[in-house]
Amino acid sequence: SQKIEQNSEALNIQEGKTATLTCNYTNYSPAYLQWYRQDPGRGPVFLLLIRENEKEKRKERLKVTFDTTLKQSLFHITASQPADSATYLCALDMESSYKLIFGSGTRLLVRP
Amino acid sequence: GAVVSQHPSWVICKSGTSVKIECRSLDFQATTMFWYRQFPKQSLMLMATSNEGSKATYEQGVEKDKFLINHASLTLSTLTVTSAHPEDSSFYICSARARHYETGELFFGEGSRLTVL
Repeated sequence: SQKIEQNSEALNIQEGKTATLTCNYTNYSPAYLQWYRQDPGRGPVFLLLIRENEKEKRKERLKVTFDTTLKQSLFHITASQPADSATYLCALDMESSYKLIFGSGTRLLVRP
Repeated sequence: GAVVSQHPSWVICKSGTSVKIECRSLDFQATTMFWYRQFPKQSLMLMATSNEGSKATYEQGVEKDKFLINHASLTLSTLTVTSAHPEDSSFYICSARARHYETGELFFGEGSRLTVL
């Protein structure tokens, strides 16, 4: 069966450290993989998109890697800040259907 | 950036009544909008794909007669929860792709929290 797995346990780190979140998937062949941020009671906000032929993508303090062999994406936030505390969702983009399928998200807590 | 507005942000209704949620793309045209449902501490579950001028495409297990979707214009899609019951209480979120954005990200509304008493 198809699965998108993100660590359900909250990631608790000290301000200034690098946060690394993992997204694993099975039985999918996505054209793109996207990462979103969701704050409580709000809609998700787009952060980064990486294509299947890209290994790495950066945007300011954010970095995403995409390994289609391992079927895994890593999402890094460097120099983390308390304001980075939120739930981070990975999503697979099925180009053929234009649908976006989401993982369950990982909650990040950055302690001051 | 592209803005999606959703209304109402929260609604409380009695069991058996119907509730309509609106989703508008404010500064772009959206031929396709998506409706998601999210239970507490769970992922966004895609309910249906709303296509302008045609019938919505529902995901497996989603009752199309219960969740009526209308996409009458390029900037408006509505979701009507008919004969709502307490188990329909959830966070409903709409999203849209902006055709002029090459990267294909989704722009989400702020969500509508439905509580059925």
